[in-house]
Amino acid sequence: KNEVEQSPQNLTAQEGEFITINCSYSVGISALHWLQQHPGGGIVSLFMLSSGKKKHGRLIATINIQEKHSSLHITASHPRDSAVYICANSGAGSYQLTFGKGTKLSVIP
Amino acid sequence: NAGVTQTPKFQVLKTGQSMTLQCAQDMNHNSMYWYRQDPGMGLRLIYYSASEGTTDKGEVPNGYNVSRLNKREFSLRLESAAPSQTSVYFCASSDSGGAGYEQYFGPGTRLTVT
Repeated sequence: KNEVEQSPQNLTAQEGEFITINCSYSVGISALHWLQQHPGGGIVSLFMLSSGKKKHGRLIATINIQEKHSSLHITASHPRDSAVYICANSGAGSYQLTFGKGTKLSVIP
Repeated sequence: NAGVTQTPKFQVLKTGQSMTLQCAQDMNHNSMYWYRQDPGMGLRLIYYSASEGTTDKGEVPNGYNVSRLNKREFSLRLESAAPSQTSVYFCASSDSGGAGYEQYFGPGTRLTVT
């Protein structure tokens, strides 16, 4: 069974801090997704990656396929980064994404 | 370009009532999905439609039916609502199916069944 575990569940940071959110999964995948859900509820896709590293602005996502682990980093965090960050994956050829429970990030000014 | 739209945004039902949640996308996507999100749990797939004319069960299909009306629209029906179906429902779409395609989410429908 495909299981996705995220850590930490909750994270509070001071503005400007470097943040890391971790995601571990149990089965081989074709791609891993990082999503952001703001307090209003909307869900936005941040990254989709199957190897290496991707960067968008202050956000960086990395994945280690051998270790079945991915990380989401936020550099120079800002209060507007406060949100729930969700990782999700699926086995090769599957239509069904399995989602982690999310990491709630609060960035304090 | 509205992306993925859902109606209604909020709904309160009594146990046993029925209703249909509507979803539409204007990105010409082939695949569409219905998820539910409950406190303390990750998003869970209810049904999906890999392409127009096809639908398949996801992880938690019991108590729901779906219709892929055309390429744009994918509706979710609760025939006899139960309190356990109180949740936030999200519709999503992607260019194709599988994990290798980015999914675009609608704003969600908050449903309460009393």
